[in-house]
Amino acid sequence: QSVLTQPPSASGTPGQRVTISCSGSSSNIRSNYVYWYQQFPGTAPKLVIYRDNQRPSGVPDRFSGSKSGTSASLAISGLRSEDEADYYCATWDSSLNGWVFGGGTKLTVL
Amino acid sequence: QVQLQQSGPGLVKPSQTLSLTCDISGDSVSSNSAAWNWIRQSPSRGLEWLGRTYYRSKWSNNYAVSVRSRISIKPDTSKNQVSLQLSSVTPEDTATYYCVKEGSDTFDIWGQGTMVTVSA
Repeated sequence: QSVLTQPPSASGTPGQRVTISCSGSSSNIRSNYVYWYQQFPGTAPKLVIYRDNQRPSGVPDRFSGSKSGTSASLAISGLRSEDEADYYCATWDSSLNGWVFGGGTKLTVL
Repeated sequence: QVQLQQSGPGLVKPSQTLSLTCDISGDSVSSNSAAWNWIRQSPSRGLEWLGRTYYRSKWSNNYAVSVRSRISIKPDTSKNQVSLQLSSVTPEDTATYYCVKEGSDTFDIWGQGTMVTVSA
């Protein structure tokens, strides 16, 4: 069981806005930055959001991140078929003194 | 351009030690601004951070609680590489293992991944 809790699945139709949640605690999400990774089958995860809400260069501005208290969210607006992937949240846990991940959310574009 | 090239066996017997190596190019294992992590992924456990090593005037390690008694991550400055050893493996340790560079504060470079199966 993962330290961070994500819904196992999410879905939307092209053009819609989808939000994926990530729930943690005061020792991880509340105290440290949250990162979001996108992963396609057979490939390594790729960073799409860093430091709660920053986008790396090359990531479309359709992707956005937010955080409030012990929860964080990844939002994808203007959903496209190529967004269909697994998404993981991650953060440092100050009590465990290590990185922790969410269980991942499989995003399906209908 | 930083690249990480992993090597090691894809099959390990139960109770034995899993050993993987990560060759670093385009950066130094002794960099004061990087940390070198091992992360694994399996269908049952998802992404799981195992530990890291880094140099900040001296070498330090952090390990995940779940594997702390069995894991060792070591730098080899002469070969510019980092190694992972996980002892007393069981089928639960079957996973794809990634060597990952941690930059200013994020996992920015990933190795190609090594699928390791624990089976007799």
